[in-house]
Amino acid sequence: EAQVTQNPRYLITVTGKKLTVTCSQNMNHEYMSWYRQDPGLGLRQIYYSMNVEVTDKGDVPEGYKVSRKEKRNFPLILESPSPNQTSLYFCASSLSWQLVHNGELFFGEGSRLTVL
Amino acid sequence: AQKVTQAQTEISVVEKEDVTLDCVYETRDTTYYLFWYKQPPSGELVFLIRRNSFDEQNEISGRYSWNFQKSTSSFNFTITASQVVDSAVYFCALSSGGGFKTIFGAGTRLFVKA
Repeated sequence: EAQVTQNPRYLITVTGKKLTVTCSQNMNHEYMSWYRQDPGLGLRQIYYSMNVEVTDKGDVPEGYKVSRKEKRNFPLILESPSPNQTSLYFCASSLSWQLVHNGELFFGEGSRLTVL
Repeated sequence: AQKVTQAQTEISVVEKEDVTLDCVYETRDTTYYLFWYKQPPSGELVFLIRRNSFDEQNEISGRYSWNFQKSTSSFNFTITASQVVDSAVYFCALSSGGGFKTIFGAGTRLFVKA
């Protein structure tokens, strides 16, 4: 089954404790992206990657890191989480960045992160 | 600058009523793409439709229809004869300027009561 898989789905952590949210897709997609969803703000893009070893900042990259060493994986790293990073996180992928225009964004199920 | 505004935060209707969700966008690009996504209570995001800036034809898909008007920078979404299963948060989104970013509106939460 074609899918984008995120882990963990739910996590409660404390300020300053490094964590990684994994994202993996099995569709051989070139483009991957991370969003956070907050009430009243919709989805805001954190980072995106057009292909392996090519990543760039979205609109809200502060406090996050990403890497794209393999096509299928795009982990989101919070080196020193803070309470303002409490949010619902979505990973998404697309066959190619051109197809982002076509709406062919496939989303993971979301990861709800709480930082105390 | 690109921006998507969904002024309706929440809408509540009774089943079988028609409902329109508004979306107003801003972009300086002449080539851009507009989308609607649905987020049901289960939380996943489901792609509904896309429109490119050169195609102003309205589209109908079953009970769903979309009205794209460049003159007013709007891309409104209408559900005809709403059903309880339509209860969800609906996001309007815009992609332009190279397509690397998709900008989402804040979303409209639709409640359809039986």
